[in-house]
Amino acid sequence: EVQLVQSGAEVKKPGESLRISCQASGYTFTHYWISWVRQMPGKGLEWMGRIDPDDSETNYSPSFQGHVTISVDKSLNTAYLQWSRLKPSDTAMYYCARHMVRGVISPATAWGQGTLVAVSS
Amino acid sequence: DTQMTQSPSSVSASLGDRVTITCRASEGIGNWLGWYQQKPGKAPKLLIYAASSLQSGVPSRFSGSGSGTHFTLTISSLQADDFATYYCQQANSFPLTFGGGTKVEMK
Repeated sequence: EVQLVQSGAEVKKPGESLRISCQASGYTFTHYWISWVRQMPGKGLEWMGRIDPDDSETNYSPSFQGHVTISVDKSLNTAYLQWSRLKPSDTAMYYCARHMVRGVISPATAWGQGTLVAVSS
Repeated sequence: DTQMTQSPSSVSASLGDRVTITCRASEGIGNWLGWYQQKPGKAPKLLIYAASSLQSGVPSRFSGSGSGTHFTLTISSLQADDFATYYCQQANSFPLTFGGGTKVEMK
């Protein structure tokens, strides 16, 4: 069974750094892209970017480029989403998701449970 | 970027009703469109891929159609488990983009 298990909720202050994780199991990690999706409180889904775990190639939405970094550790079957300087507007639920088809753009068929990030002074 | 516009933003319906949700792309995306269902506090769930293909395990009352710029998701007979928010997403080019969502509420 394909599973994506995300790290727990975080409460941080503006300007702090943060890395959240998404550990995959039940399939060959390097075969399928992982995307990260933001959902701000009471709002819709926003695609942030994706990574190919095989070669760490990334694509980012222009809305998030330069503000977050997506990475993987193949030895741990884990993807990461990282901020160097958090803002209060980063307060949101963040989901990781595995794409459906190997090597091409496709919908996401497996999702993590979400990580809630709260940023407040 | 390809903009995805969903309508309506919300719909009130009764059990057994037929519900149709529309998604329009700002440019042609072929049939590279997926539909997701999200319930409060839960992760999204893929219902339809490639515009009209039913994801494994999804009830057959859900169907999708369309190509190019105009797509629809239809629930043929609304069940209690279907009250949720539905999103379309284009899978044609980066950046991937979602529609704004359609909330299906009980009338």
